[in-house]
Amino acid sequence: GQQVMQIPQYQHVQEGEDFTTYCNSSTTLSNIQWYKQRPGGHPVFLIQLVKSGEVKKQKRLTFQFGEAKKNSSLHITATQTTDVGTYFCAGVSGGYQKVTFGIGTKLQVIP
Amino acid sequence: GAVVSQHPSWVICKSGTSVKIECRSLDFQATTMFWYRQFPKQSLMLMATSNEGSKATYEQGVEKDKFLINHASLTLSTLTVTSAHPEDSSFYICSALRDYGYTFGSGTRLTVV
Repeated sequence: GQQVMQIPQYQHVQEGEDFTTYCNSSTTLSNIQWYKQRPGGHPVFLIQLVKSGEVKKQKRLTFQFGEAKKNSSLHITATQTTDVGTYFCAGVSGGYQKVTFGIGTKLQVIP
Repeated sequence: GAVVSQHPSWVICKSGTSVKIECRSLDFQATTMFWYRQFPKQSLMLMATSNEGSKATYEQGVEKDKFLINHASLTLSTLTVTSAHPEDSSFYICSALRDYGYTFGSGTRLTVV
């Protein structure tokens, strides 16, 4: 079955440093989505990437979808304490649009 | 924007009892809802897909008779954990698909004692 690998699982950064999390799918995806889950909270949709090679930006967050539509990354520039949380990618594929979540990357920002 | 309301937020129950979790789409109709389970420090694992007016589709390894799903209307799906045991303690969360992605409920933390 489809697998979505996400690395790293944990990342501690000093406030102001950059952060990147990567996702890699075992199969070609129709789209990939990114979510943020704050401690004790529920996942909140951030963005969806559909096109091969697509790059989208949301303020300090940059999302990329690979040319082969099998990998994706989320990059945060100059992290802030408000960026703390777990970032999940979710790969969507197949006729039934099956969603497979990555394991998530837990980001800690040290003030 | 699309809102999914999940209730209760947390529940503690005795082993052997049943617990019902509700998931409502507040400002849109959801013909399909999804139920996930999340263990501490782990990712979301899809348990089942709830379809309005028909039987739910369960993922491999998920017991249909233990996790009863009912999607009787376009705005309500329920998950009932029957004869709960301590190993069922987890964070359960529902979601519905919108045009721009999945909207999640706030989740239910179930503790079985």
